Amino acid sequence: DAGVIQSPRHEVTEMGQEVTLRCKPISGHDYLFWYRQTMMRGLELLIYFNNNVPIDDSGMPEDRFSAKMPNASFSTLKIQPSEPRDSAVYFCASSLPGGAPIDTQYFGPGTRLTVL
Amino acid sequence: GEDVEQSLFLSVREGDSSVINCTYTDSSSTYLYWYKQEPGAGLQLLTYIFSNMDMKQDQRLTVLLNKKDKHLSLRIADTQTGDSAIYFCAESRTGGSYIPTFGRGTSLIVHP
Repeated sequence: DAGVIQSPRHEVTEMGQEVTLRCKPISGHDYLFWYRQTMMRGLELLIYFNNNVPIDDSGMPEDRFSAKMPNASFSTLKIQPSEPRDSAVYFCASSLPGGAPIDTQYFGPGTRLTVL
Repeated sequence: GEDVEQSLFLSVREGDSSVINCTYTDSSSTYLYWYKQEPGAGLQLLTYIFSNMDMKQDQRLTVLLNKKDKHLSLRIADTQTGDSAIYFCAESRTGGSYIPTFGRGTSLIVHP
């Protein structure tokens, strides 16, 4: 399996522009997570889905952020409009249900977003 | 305070042992994990331990769990430059949605 795939790997944009980050989870995984990593705040869980349904979006910083999962093999995280403080590495992760250690999260390589 | 706490940095000499410490607050934590993040990559599960265990050894890695003190440690024997990375402690529990809570990560720097 190719693992969790994220695109783009790097994104540089100007303040006010719309940014769309993409994720393809591992086939067969029922859970999908979006995280944001910064030096100041560490790793933050933004939102997660179970069977394509958003379960908890309490970590989404504000209305400028939205996430969708139209099918089991694709999810997007959109920021509109983007601001410099959104600059971070955004990770997507997927896992099987259950909670046993074998059902741990598998992380993608991340998208490094820079908003100028 | 945070649910999972770690020191932010650790510097060791190549060949020495590294010990990365973590404390957590939830006494119902069932699984405790160590993830490794290499530069430019996502997190990868390194090892895990059940809360009913005190110790787990896996080659150069030793995980110690003190459930009474809610303290978890990761010892890396014979630390190599390739071990330089950020190490995340995480905990999760059964009886609900499985969502691990991560610490902020400890940057391990291995110098010659």
